[in-house]
Amino acid sequence: EDQVTQSPEALRLQEGESSSLNCSYTVSGLRGLFWYRQDPGKGPEFLFTLYSAGEEKEKERLKATLTKKESFLHITAPKPEDSATYLCAVHPLSSGSARQLTFGSGTQLTVLP
Amino acid sequence: NAGVMQNPRHLVRRRGQEARLRCSPMKGHSHVYWYRQLPEEGLKFMVYLQKENIIDESGMPKERFSAEFPKEGPSILRIQQVVRGDSAAYFCASSQRGASTDTQYFGPGTRLTVL
Repeated sequence: EDQVTQSPEALRLQEGESSSLNCSYTVSGLRGLFWYRQDPGKGPEFLFTLYSAGEEKEKERLKATLTKKESFLHITAPKPEDSATYLCAVHPLSSGSARQLTFGSGTQLTVLP
Repeated sequence: NAGVMQNPRHLVRRRGQEARLRCSPMKGHSHVYWYRQLPEEGLKFMVYLQKENIIDESGMPKERFSAEFPKEGPSILRIQQVVRGDSAAYFCASSQRGASTDTQYFGPGTRLTVL
């Protein structure tokens, strides 16, 4: 069964304190791995797509990396406005539609001023 | 910037009533996906539709739930005879081509409360 596990469940950082969020996956095959940000009461906001091991993408203070078993979302010098729940999702190569995303439970990030 | 639109944003129903949730995809997108987020749980896939076709409904409960995406107008997720366990946030996403590597862009969601 396809599984996506995110850790930690919650993370509190001081402003400027860099850290990493982890997304490990167990799927029959990977078409793509997606990172989203979700603010309370809102829909997920797309951040990155990664397709193959070794790939990296950057956007402002965020950098996403991918290996064959996991992905990391690195946050450099975070600010309070980076506080949100970060979701990882995969497009598995399972039978049936390959369009459905399988989501992890998310990491709730709080950045304190 | 016409993103994915959903309405209503909040919906309150009593047990046994019907709930209709609407989703208008991003401009130029013809593929729609519905997900449900139960309290304290992650997003779960429900159904994938193209115009006038249901492509994959493997995540949708067999009873009381149905979805459509007509040639004209928004996609609709319909829940008949709602029960308290249906209380959740329902998100719609859309993509341009429907390729397995396409990015899905999400709407703001409809929060359904069943009394």
